[in-house]
Amino acid sequence: QKEVEQNSGPLSVPEGAIASLNCTYSDRGSQSFFWYRQYSGKSPELIMSIYSNGDKEDGRFTAQLNKASQYVSLLIRDSQPSDSATYLCAVISGGSYIPTFGRGTSLIVHP
Amino acid sequence: SQTIHQWPATLVQPVGSPLSLECTVEGTSNPNLYWYRQAAGRGLQLLFYSVGIGQISSEVPQNLSASRPQDRQFILSSKKLLLSDSGFYLCACQTGTDYGYTFGSGTRLTVV
Repeated sequence: QKEVEQNSGPLSVPEGAIASLNCTYSDRGSQSFFWYRQYSGKSPELIMSIYSNGDKEDGRFTAQLNKASQYVSLLIRDSQPSDSATYLCAVISGGSYIPTFGRGTSLIVHP
Repeated sequence: SQTIHQWPATLVQPVGSPLSLECTVEGTSNPNLYWYRQAAGRGLQLLFYSVGIGQISSEVPQNLSASRPQDRQFILSSKKLLLSDSGFYLCACQTGTDYGYTFGSGTRLTVV
């Protein structure tokens, strides 16, 4: 059973701070990793994908992947109240194309 | 990039009534298409996926069915809805080699 674990939160950070969201996965053969943002009542939106160990930066977002430790993280710099949402981690194993989703972490950025 | 049209946005249906949700995709061809359900406070549950016309794989045995009559059309159906079918239904499209999803705007179904 492939598992993707996320702390459900809520994670509360002040505006302007760095929000750090973490995700662990069970399948060592996983090769593709994604972060989706889901606002309340809306559908998820892909914000980051990462495939290699290390960091990948896109604007205020940085995805970090450590395959040896089987975790992937999402850092949000200069957090804004508009970043308040649930963040879903998704992982695809080698040989597959269907992701396993975590249950998501709720992020609250307060002014 | 692709766009997914999903309707209706909200639906209230009585128990035992039929259901038909439609999803159409623009801006790509031969996509992988998926139906997910998200119950309140729960994670995403994969219901069906399709890699081509007429090809449907079911992940959860239940009273729902899916069909793909055209390359960019994916339909979710039920002959008789149950209370437990309530939830947020999402259509997703996957193209290219990066395997990221584009989701439709979703249908919030309440069975009463």
